[in-house]
Amino acid sequence: DTGVSQDPRHKITKRGQNVTFRCDPISEHNRLYWYRQTLGQGPEFLTYFQNEAQLEKSRLLSDRFSAERPKGSFSTLEIQRTEQGDSAMYLCASTPPGTGGSDTQYFGPGTRLTVL
Amino acid sequence: QKEVEQNSGPLSVPEGAIASLNCTYSDRGSQSFFWYRQYSGKSPELIMFIYSNGDKEDGRFTAQLNKASQYVSLLIRDSQPSDSATYLCAVSRGGYSTLTFGKGTMLLVSP
Repeated sequence: DTGVSQDPRHKITKRGQNVTFRCDPISEHNRLYWYRQTLGQGPEFLTYFQNEAQLEKSRLLSDRFSAERPKGSFSTLEIQRTEQGDSAMYLCASTPPGTGGSDTQYFGPGTRLTVL
Repeated sequence: QKEVEQNSGPLSVPEGAIASLNCTYSDRGSQSFFWYRQYSGKSPELIMFIYSNGDKEDGRFTAQLNKASQYVSLLIRDSQPSDSATYLCAVSRGGYSTLTFGKGTMLLVSP
C-alpha cells in the first residue's frame, strides 16, 4: 500500500491518560500535516512539518498536544492528560516535494479517538 | 478569520441527475481550491483541485471557480447512489500552506 497510513485506527482511552498516534506519509512526501475532525465539522488544521521541521502550529494545539517528525519520515502526535473534548478523528495528510503550485494533500485513514 | 461556507444539506437528487454543490470563501488571498469526498466514518478523498477561474472537468465532475465572487462549485453529472457522501470544500493560500475546510455538504442520490 503506497498511501498514507495511520496507527492505530481506533483508540479508546480514559480521561487523563496519554495517547500517541503515528502517521507514515506517502514515500518521498516531505510535507506532513495533522488535522482534527469532529462530527459534523470539516477537518481543522493542527500542525505542519516540512521534513523534520515543525513549521506551523494552530492555536487549537494546546500545551497538552505535541507532535514530532524526528527523521523527516513518520510523525507522531501525542495528547497528554486526555479530556472528553479530545474525542475526534485525527487525520494525517502529506504532499510531495515540488517547486511550487501543487499543494494537494492526500489523507490517511485517520485515527478515531474516544475519551471516556 | 478565514472561513469556508457550505450548505450542510442534505442535497437529495435522483439517480442520473446533476448534483450542484456550492462553496464560498472569505480569504481573498486564497489561491488553491479543492473538493474532497468523505464517506461516513472514512477519511477525505481528493476529487478535484482548481487554481484558475473557469471550469475544470474530470470525468463526471466539473469544478467551477470565480475568484471575483469568491465562489467555488462542484457539478456531478449522471449522479450515482455511490456518490452519496459528504463533499468538503477546502481552500489554501497556495505555496504548501494549510487547508481551510468547510463543514461539508451531504449529498444523497436515490435510485
